Amino acid sequence: EPEVTQTPSHQVTQMGQEVILRCVPISNHLYFYWYRQILGQKVEFLVSFYNNEISEKSEIFDDQFSVERPDGSNFTLKIRSTKLEDSAMYFCASRSASEQYFGPGTRLTVT
Amino acid sequence: EDQVTQSPEALRLQEGESSSLNCSYTVSGLRGLFWYRQDPGKGPEFLFTLYSAGEEKEKERLKATLTKKESFLHITAPKPEDSATYLCAVLTGGGNKLTFGTGTQLKVEL
Repeated sequence: EPEVTQTPSHQVTQMGQEVILRCVPISNHLYFYWYRQILGQKVEFLVSFYNNEISEKSEIFDDQFSVERPDGSNFTLKIRSTKLEDSAMYFCASRSASEQYFGPGTRLTVT
Repeated sequence: EDQVTQSPEALRLQEGESSSLNCSYTVSGLRGLFWYRQDPGKGPEFLFTLYSAGEEKEKERLKATLTKKESFLHITAPKPEDSATYLCAVLTGGGNKLTFGTGTQLKVEL
């Protein structure tokens, strides 16, 4: 069964550093997403990506964040100048016409 | 603003004791309602997508139903392995994002 994969599974970084979270969506899907989940809170939408451009973004997704699809398979989320409050699980997702699948997540810890 | 409310927040069942989880929503233009299962420290696992009032879908011990204002996830004769948090989410508007509820944490005991 096809699945969304994410690396790394856990990333620890110091405040102010930049991190890149990586995802490989399901190969025949066209819509890609990043969500995050702060411990004990609900899953929150960050950004959607279609046809090599951002199609929608939330208020959370400010200039600190960027996404890229550098090749035909990878989808990345870059977080610049990380803050303590960026600590969360970050999930990548991809969608077919009717089903949206999530990856296992990257746990980001900012110290 | 789209809103999704799930109840109860937590539910404890005995093995074999059937029950239902509720997801009520207030949205502008529902394009789909999604149910997910989430285990601790893991990503949401896709269960169902429902599109229109009256629609039902089943998978093993789970059945999801949809009305114009809410969805139910019925769990029949649950087993301990059904213990997880069940998330409801709505796809609206341009269809580019899911708005999630806070989930129902289900624990099934022997």
